[in-house]
Amino acid sequence: QQQVKQSPQSLIVQKGGISIINCAYENTAFDYFPWYQQFPGKGPALLIAIRPDVSEKKEGRFTISFNKSAKQFSLHIMDSQPGDSATYFCAATSGGYQKVTFGTGTKLQVIP
Amino acid sequence: DSGVTQTPKHLITATGQRVTLRCSPRSGDLSVYWYQQSLDQGLQFLIQYYNGEERAKGNILERFSAQQFPDLHSELNLSSLELGDSALYFCASSVAPGSSYNEQFFGPGTRLTVL
Repeated sequence: QQQVKQSPQSLIVQKGGISIINCAYENTAFDYFPWYQQFPGKGPALLIAIRPDVSEKKEGRFTISFNKSAKQFSLHIMDSQPGDSATYFCAATSGGYQKVTFGTGTKLQVIP
Repeated sequence: DSGVTQTPKHLITATGQRVTLRCSPRSGDLSVYWYQQSLDQGLQFLIQYYNGEERAKGNILERFSAQQFPDLHSELNLSSLELGDSALYFCASSVAPGSSYNEQFFGPGTRLTVL
């Protein structure tokens, strides 16, 4: 059962462009929404995260936009760089046990 | 480097066999999580342990089991292996479960190939 839907599956962006990855969730009990970045041969690493009481969070070139009423959130990567080429996973979690539900991932390629 | 170690890095075995994957959490982390990553299923949460006790269960098959030892390292046992069990298995650790999210740090993974 896929509780977090992620799109697109893959994305090619020119260097300097904006990369946008979208996610939608169903479970209203989710209360924390982290994004993970995974490079080939490595484990996922936390990139940025947001709580549903905030509509936007920015860290450097990375911004999460959150729409609680629509149950949607997105990751924007400004001024995308070749070093950003990786697979990005949105995720959602609830409660203290921190069982994380991941989206299906977006493979981002930033071309020079 | 996340500080989480996993061994072995690669494992090739045959159907019907049993394997054990090992994970050592970051120093000071009490909670360990296991995930399976496959091409068709994405990243799936399997099971969580906190200080030796099972805390949460996800999509873990009955053929799979795990435990966390007193020194906090964890092992994931996979038995009666099938071709479909071929995947990357990740271990992650965090300080502890709590009322707010604690970042999970992922290890480099074990790639299991079942022939």
